[in-house]
Amino acid sequence: EADIYQTPRYLVIGTGKKITLECSQTMGHDKMYWYQQDPGMELHLIHYSYGVNSTEKGDLSSESTVSRIRTEHFPLTLESARPSHTSQYLCASSLGTGGTDTQYFGPGTRLTVL
Amino acid sequence: AQSVAQPEDQVNVAEGNPLTVKCTYSVSGNPYLFWYVQYPNRGLQFLLKYITGDNLVKGSYGFEAEFNKSQTSFHLKKPSALVSDSALYFCAVGGGTGRRALTFGSGTRLQVQP
Repeated sequence: EADIYQTPRYLVIGTGKKITLECSQTMGHDKMYWYQQDPGMELHLIHYSYGVNSTEKGDLSSESTVSRIRTEHFPLTLESARPSHTSQYLCASSLGTGGTDTQYFGPGTRLTVL
Repeated sequence: AQSVAQPEDQVNVAEGNPLTVKCTYSVSGNPYLFWYVQYPNRGLQFLLKYITGDNLVKGSYGFEAEFNKSQTSFHLKKPSALVSDSALYFCAVGGGTGRRALTFGSGTRLQVQP
């Protein structure tokens, strides 16, 4: 079954640690996205990718980085986690242009930095 | 440019009554409009979308949305609410010139009382 996966679902970690949030999709989509969702609900686009070796920053400035070495895999890395990084991170993918196509979301990773 | 507004933080409705969740949009090109639902500790699930054609769009779980070009609105509706419809609802717009991803509204929490 085609789907989009995120691991871990929950992560509690200390300040200064390096973390990687995993996102994989089996739908063969070229476009992938990372969103940060605040407790106040609003989604903010922080990274997107058109395809392999193509990544760009989103609307919200983020200290995280991403890579796209394989079509199905779009991990997000924080080199040194801080309490301000505490949030929910949602990964999504789409088949089409991105600007007009349906995005499909993973279940999210809830990150808490102590 | 593109933006979307959800004027209500929360909508309360009794089970069995009709529900409406409001959304207005602004986009420089032809609008591509979407509704998503989010249950606790989950990612966003796609409900329906409007691209062109009939102004009334039918989606999953008995939801529908009405596109109104003159009012730049895309309100989500359901004839008879269920307690299980209680969740967070997001409107999104795409199609803006130069935009590479959808823009999401701030979300509306729907509470259906038994």
